[in-house]
Amino acid sequence: EDQVTQSPEALRLQEGESSSLNCSYTVSGLRGLFWYRQDPGKGPEFLFTLYSAGEEKEKERLKATLTKKESFLHITAPKPEDSATYLCAVQDWVTGGGNKLTFGTGTQLKVEL
Amino acid sequence: DVKVTQSSRYLVKRTGEKVFLECVQDMDHENMFWYRQDPGLGLRLIYFSYDVKMKEKGDIPEGYSVSREKKERFSLILESASTNQTSMYLCASSSTGGVKTQYFGPGTRLLVL
Repeated sequence: EDQVTQSPEALRLQEGESSSLNCSYTVSGLRGLFWYRQDPGKGPEFLFTLYSAGEEKEKERLKATLTKKESFLHITAPKPEDSATYLCAVQDWVTGGGNKLTFGTGTQLKVEL
Repeated sequence: DVKVTQSSRYLVKRTGEKVFLECVQDMDHENMFWYRQDPGLGLRLIYFSYDVKMKEKGDIPEGYSVSREKKERFSLILESASTNQTSMYLCASSSTGGVKTQYFGPGTRLLVL
């Protein structure tokens, strides 16, 4: 059974204080790993897809990296508008037919002035 | 831009009522999904559909059914609503073939009294 564990559950940062969110996963064979951002009361918004260990993707202050067991979402010099819940999800070669995903429970990030 | 819309943002229903949640996507996607999201449990897949009139159970199908009569529309039905079905319901869609991103609607917050 696929498993996705995100840590920490919640993170409070000061504006400009860089940090990383972790996503550990267990799958039979990783087809793809996804990062989403979710604002309160809204649906998740797609950020990145990573396919293989060593891959990195960047968007503004966010950079996602992938190893064989985990992914990190690095946030550099965050701003209050980066406050959201960040979700990680995996697609497995075995169970991921029809593009099914298994989600973690998310990291709730709050960036304060 | 991909657009996934859900028929209601908020719904309040009574125990035992039949509830219909509708989702429409405008990107000609083959795959559509229904999730529920609860604090501490993350997103859990209820049902998904990979083609018109085709459906597959997700991880928590009990108490729910679905209908997909047209490619762009996927309905979630609560046959007899219960209080433990109070939740945030999210619809998503994706194209098929390879690793494809799921795009989410804004969500429906359902309260069953």
